[in-house]
Amino acid sequence: GENVEQHPSTLSVQEGDSAVIKCTYSDSASNYFPWYKQELGKRPQLIIDIRSNVGEKKDQRIAVTLNKTAKHFSLHITETQPEDSAVYFCAASEEAGSYQLTFGKGTKLSVIP
Amino acid sequence: ETGVTQTPRHLVMGMTNKKSLKCEQHLGHNAMYWYKQSAKKPLELMFVYNFKEQTENNSVPSRFSPECPNSSHLFLHLHTLQPEDSALYLCASSQESGSYEQYFGPGTRLTVT
Repeated sequence: GENVEQHPSTLSVQEGDSAVIKCTYSDSASNYFPWYKQELGKRPQLIIDIRSNVGEKKDQRIAVTLNKTAKHFSLHITETQPEDSAVYFCAASEEAGSYQLTFGKGTKLSVIP
Repeated sequence: ETGVTQTPRHLVMGMTNKKSLKCEQHLGHNAMYWYKQSAKKPLELMFVYNFKEQTENNSVPSRFSPECPNSSHLFLHLHTLQPEDSALYLCASSQESGSYEQYFGPGTRLTVT
């Protein structure tokens, strides 16, 4: 089955700086890579996703890049704000069977004002 | 946020009890999921239902029994649980199983004593 590794597990940045979270996956057939944000005590919510036919996708201060050859994808947050503080999960979708999402272990991002 | 609801929000049960968790989605989705979220294994997929049919069971112990009577409702029946089963149980739904955004419920915080 699919295996998703996520790094770092914790990340602290100063407000206004950039944050980068990296994930690798094992199944070369995976073609869908979403990122979820979970604020303290709240449910996970999708913030951005990318499919394997695209190398990069941006949405305001958030961007995701995908390198299919190396089987890794990254989340980039620019001009970080305190409200960006949360746990971020990457995931990959298998290309067979039930297309289940396999999640990384999460990165706890703290933005210091 | 009322798209996916879960009851109860908190549950304390003894190891010999039988209880059920309920999930309901009002989004017209056809796929529903149960996840277990704990400190050791964040967002661990347990079960997937697509069009009311169970398509995935990730080696979950038989003391957890899912039920999906229709596309809008999902239950998780609990019986003779162990203390290590204490966790946040999240329900999610998506248009279909696959590369679609998953919408999470608020979760049920389960404590097994």
